[in-house]
Amino acid sequence: GESVGLHLPTLSVQEGDNSIINCAYSNSASDYFIWYKQESGKGPQFIIDIRSNMDKRQGQRVTVLLNKTVKHLSLQIAATQPGDSAVYFCAERTGNQFYFGTGTSLTVIP
Amino acid sequence: DGGITQSPKYLFRKEGQNVTLSCEQNLNHDAMYWYRQDPGQGLRLIYYSQIVNDFQKGDIAEGYSVSREKKESFPLTVTSAQKNPTAFYLCASTPGLAGYNEQFFGPGTRLTVL
Repeated sequence: GESVGLHLPTLSVQEGDNSIINCAYSNSASDYFIWYKQESGKGPQFIIDIRSNMDKRQGQRVTVLLNKTVKHLSLQIAATQPGDSAVYFCAERTGNQFYFGTGTSLTVIP
Repeated sequence: DGGITQSPKYLFRKEGQNVTLSCEQNLNHDAMYWYRQDPGQGLRLIYYSQIVNDFQKGDIAEGYSVSREKKESFPLTVTSAQKNPTAFYLCASTPGLAGYNEQFFGPGTRLTVL
């Protein structure tokens, strides 16, 4: 089976600082990656995605970096806000199936 | 507004009972999925369906059953054969299996076995 893991289960940052959440994936054949945000008791929300032929993709306050050499994915959140507090997890697609990481819990300290 | 709805939000079941979780989407998506989420674990795929009247088992299909009689509906039945059914269940959909499309998720149903 697939293994998608996160390096840190919890992360606390000061409001206004930048946050970096990391993810390791195991299958070099994965062609598509997604970051999701999940608040307690709710369904995951799409944040940003990246295809395997790209190294970097930027959205509003978020950037995803993909390093295929070491099979590593990161999510950067600029100027972190209290509303960013949630669990963040990555997903990789291999064939027709997505595999999901366990998640990192981000807490923003006001 | 387009989206995915799941009902009920909370569900309680006695041991030995079957229970059905509802999932409806008005996004006109062909593919639909059921995942199970447990604390400290990533989402695990139960079943998925690419098209009406067709579905495939995921990694943890034992003790579950699905149907896909309509494009917009993909109900999941948790049977008494599922030994540890207490979990948060998420339904998702995508336009299709091909292409670069994220999975849209519903709000989830929390099932508790009493």
